[in-house]
Amino acid sequence: IAGITQAPTSQILAAGRRMTLRCTQDMRHNAMYWYRQDLGLGLRLIHYSNTAGTTGKGEVPDGYSVSRANTDDFPLTLASAVPSQTSVYFCASSDSGQGSTGELFFGEGSRLTVL
Amino acid sequence: GQNIDQPTEMTATEGAIVQINCTYQTSGFNGLFWYQQHAGEAPTFLSYNVLDGLEEKGRFSSFLSRSKGYSYLLLKELQMKDSASYLCAVMDSNYQLIWGAGTKLIIKP
Repeated sequence: IAGITQAPTSQILAAGRRMTLRCTQDMRHNAMYWYRQDLGLGLRLIHYSNTAGTTGKGEVPDGYSVSRANTDDFPLTLASAVPSQTSVYFCASSDSGQGSTGELFFGEGSRLTVL
Repeated sequence: GQNIDQPTEMTATEGAIVQINCTYQTSGFNGLFWYQQHAGEAPTFLSYNVLDGLEEKGRFSSFLSRSKGYSYLLLKELQMKDSASYLCAVMDSNYQLIWGAGTKLIIKP
């Protein structure tokens, strides 16, 4: 059972480049989320999707976009990367959406460095 | 503003008991979560409290006092594998999860 798969696990990127972080889940969960985790700060929500075909903005959405074409996939795109987007990115899912109290299941994270 | 406070780092001895505190100020309350995160790994769910009182789950227990805006995670019979960060998160009135920065727990032999 894979759960949530993120790719790449690590990437170094030049500023100004476009980057897509991939996230796939095999648990048939309705809701998916993208968080960033920075040293000394709590997890911060970037974007979320309560169900396929819908997305919403989290706490720190600027510079990021998402799509949810189907239940399993939830890619995160940085249109033009900046050094402040250097972070560890976690994709998560739950079997109920934003607005519920369901447990979150996290992927292993993608470590992104923007130079 | 909304705020979750927990100690940055704690040290405890193998076999002992440790209590990790979390205080919160949020706009509304719809439950409090504790997650465990080993270094370089994903967070994993430990507990969820929505009513006052103590929830026990094996060596781990979680306590909530809504009137005091306070929770703690109690770890008994500490093992070396318990060395990790422990994340407190509160769900506010809009069902948004507000996360604390985490408490790094160091277990010494």
